Amino acid sequence: EVQLVESGGGLVKPGGSLRLSCTASGFNFNTFTFHWVRQAPGRGLEWVSSINPSSTYIYFADSMRGRFTVSRDNAKNSLYLQMSSLTAEDTALYFCAREGDFLLDYWGQGTLVTVSS
Amino acid sequence: YDLTQPPSVSVSPGQTATITCSGDKLGDKYASWYQQKAGQSPVLLIYQDTKRPSGIPERFSGSNSGNTATLTISGTQTVDEADFYCQAWDSGTVIFGGGTKLTVL
Repeated sequence: EVQLVESGGGLVKPGGSLRLSCTASGFNFNTFTFHWVRQAPGRGLEWVSSINPSSTYIYFADSMRGRFTVSRDNAKNSLYLQMSSLTAEDTALYFCAREGDFLLDYWGQGTLVTVSS
Repeated sequence: YDLTQPPSVSVSPGQTATITCSGDKLGDKYASWYQQKAGQSPVLLIYQDTKRPSGIPERFSGSNSGNTATLTISGTQTVDEADFYCQAWDSGTVIFGGGTKLTVL
């Protein structure tokens, strides 16, 4: 069974940093591109970033480029999102999702990041 | 690149619901649709414009031409009440529409 499990969310002060993780199981992790997608409370889906299997192609949404970095450890079946210079606008549920052929076929349950003093 | 969806659509049970997604030359790209029920993660509903993943009921169908992708739900059921998002790729990045809240009443 394909599973994606996010972790690492929590309460962080404005200007702070946080590292999210996404651990995968049930498939060959190192052959897939992955995405981070976030959803602010009561709002729609917002794409954050993507990383290909060899980490050679990494993309970010404009509003997050320079503050967020994405990485993966294929040996650990894990994906990471390092976030810094966080503001209240970064408060959201962060999902990881697996990319298929022009689709996002599996999503995790999300991990909540709250930025507040 | 922007994708525009109506904020809300209402439909009576058993009727057909249509949700549109507009973007410049969207028909030249592949469109996907996701359903998100309250408190749950998004679920892939339609991909590559018209295809349904296994397990998705046949009442869900999609099309994409010109500047508009359309999600059609035939014989809408109360369990279909959810938020729906269209999605496309643009220059290696993922674009989501703003979402449409489907109310079945």
